[in-house]
Amino acid sequence: AQKITQTQPGMFVQEKEAVTLDCTYDTSDPSYGLFWYKQPSSGEMIFLIYQGSYDQQNATEGRYSLNFQKARKSANLVISASQLGDSAMYFCAMREGRYGNKLVFGAGTILRVKS
Amino acid sequence: EAQVTQNPRYLITVTGKKLTVTCSQNMNHEYMSWYRQDPGLGLRQIYYSMNVEVTDKGDVPEGYKVSRKEKRNFPLILESPSPNQTSLYFCASSLEAGFNEKLFFGSGTQLSVL
Repeated sequence: AQKITQTQPGMFVQEKEAVTLDCTYDTSDPSYGLFWYKQPSSGEMIFLIYQGSYDQQNATEGRYSLNFQKARKSANLVISASQLGDSAMYFCAMREGRYGNKLVFGAGTILRVKS
Repeated sequence: EAQVTQNPRYLITVTGKKLTVTCSQNMNHEYMSWYRQDPGLGLRQIYYSMNVEVTDKGDVPEGYKVSRKEKRNFPLILESPSPNQTSLYFCASSLEAGFNEKLFFGSGTQLSVL
């Protein structure tokens, strides 16, 4: 069963506007962590933001915020004031269980920022 | 600088010729892992290691081997590469294997098997 689903293969956003990248997850474990990574065209994986299953508040890191809706099992990434440098592939990922052996990834969303 | 170092960055080889991709981290992390990235599939875990001499299979282990003789190194071995192993490979590490542990990634190895 797919554990992480990213339903948007590609997205466009106008520079300076906000954009939401969708992510839904599936787990029966009460302990899990949700991560977003950015992969620019150069290929490296850049950590953006983390949300723990026990966290009461939505995570924020600068222009990135995570809209965490636990009951709906969604963890959408919101990028505010998009910049041209935000054009990249974005991956949602989950690590579950006390020992968190795996980081399971979604298929990714390609974001293109238009000027 | 804290980092995960993978080598080589690019590799072209032929079917059946054994190769090793090296991975080293300087953060004293216990947990290390290998992933492959293929279009439309995201990243899939090949093998992981919880600590020295402790390794286990991920989701796509067929055709790969690993070893963890030292804490800092976690090489990926393809004993007889085949074209379906053409992919972008990432090594990653975290302090421990907890659900709240962020993974640090190497810069990737683009492998082509002809």
